[in-house]
Amino acid sequence: KNQVEQSPQSLIILEGKNCTLQCNYTVSPFSNLRWYKQDTGRGPVSLTIMTFSENTKSNGRYTATLDADTKQSSLHITASQLSDSASYICVVTFLGGAGNNRKLIWGLGTSLAVNP
Amino acid sequence: EAQVTQNPRYLITVTGKKLTVTCSQNMNHEYMSWYRQDPGLGLRQIYYSMNVEVTDKGDVPEGYKVSRKEKRNFPLILESPSPNQTSLYFCASSLLAPANTGELFFGEGSRLTVL
Repeated sequence: KNQVEQSPQSLIILEGKNCTLQCNYTVSPFSNLRWYKQDTGRGPVSLTIMTFSENTKSNGRYTATLDADTKQSSLHITASQLSDSASYICVVTFLGGAGNNRKLIWGLGTSLAVNP
Repeated sequence: EAQVTQNPRYLITVTGKKLTVTCSQNMNHEYMSWYRQDPGLGLRQIYYSMNVEVTDKGDVPEGYKVSRKEKRNFPLILESPSPNQTSLYFCASSLLAPANTGELFFGEGSRLTVL
C-alpha cells in the first residue's frame, strides 16, 4: 500500500535550536517528494521539491534530504525562529496512477511549535 | 499579486441548504483542485480539473460537484450539505499537473460547518 508516514507527530523546541523532521514512504514507483509548510489557518506553501536523483536541497534555513534507496526524507531546520511554528507536510508523487493526475500521496504532517 | 482566492472564508450552514464555495486564480494555471483537510486524515482530494471543461473525481468526491467553465474559476458545490462535510476546504492551482513536478498554490481555506 502506498503510504507516507511522518514523525514525530508534534514537536516543541526552543527558539534558536535546530530540529529534524522525518518522512518515510512506501510509494513505488516514485517520482518526486515535496515538503510544504502550513501556517495555522493558512494554505500550505511549498518549501522544496526533491526528485529521485537528488540527495540534498536547501532553501534558506531549511534543508531537505532524500534517500531513495531507504525511501526516507528529512527536513532540517537550522536556528529555528518563532515564525517556523507550523505544520510541515510531506507529499510523494506516485507514478503508477493514470494520466496527468498521477496520485499525490500526502503525509499527515508534523506540527512544530517554536517557543521563545 | 499571484494568488488563489476562496470565498467565503467561514460559513455556518444547515443540513440540506445548497452552497457554493468559489475559487479563483490569477496565475493562468491550467490545473486546479479542491481538497478537504480534517484532523487525523490530512489533505484529501475532492475533485480536480486539468483544463477548462475537464474535471475528474479525486479520492472523496461524494456529495460534491464542481465546474470549470473558465480557466480562472473552479467553484465547489455542495448540493445538500451534511454534517460529515464539516471541514476545512482548500482550493489549489498549478501551472503543471502536480505529478509533473507542478507546485500547488493553495488558497487561504474555507472553514465550513454544517449543523
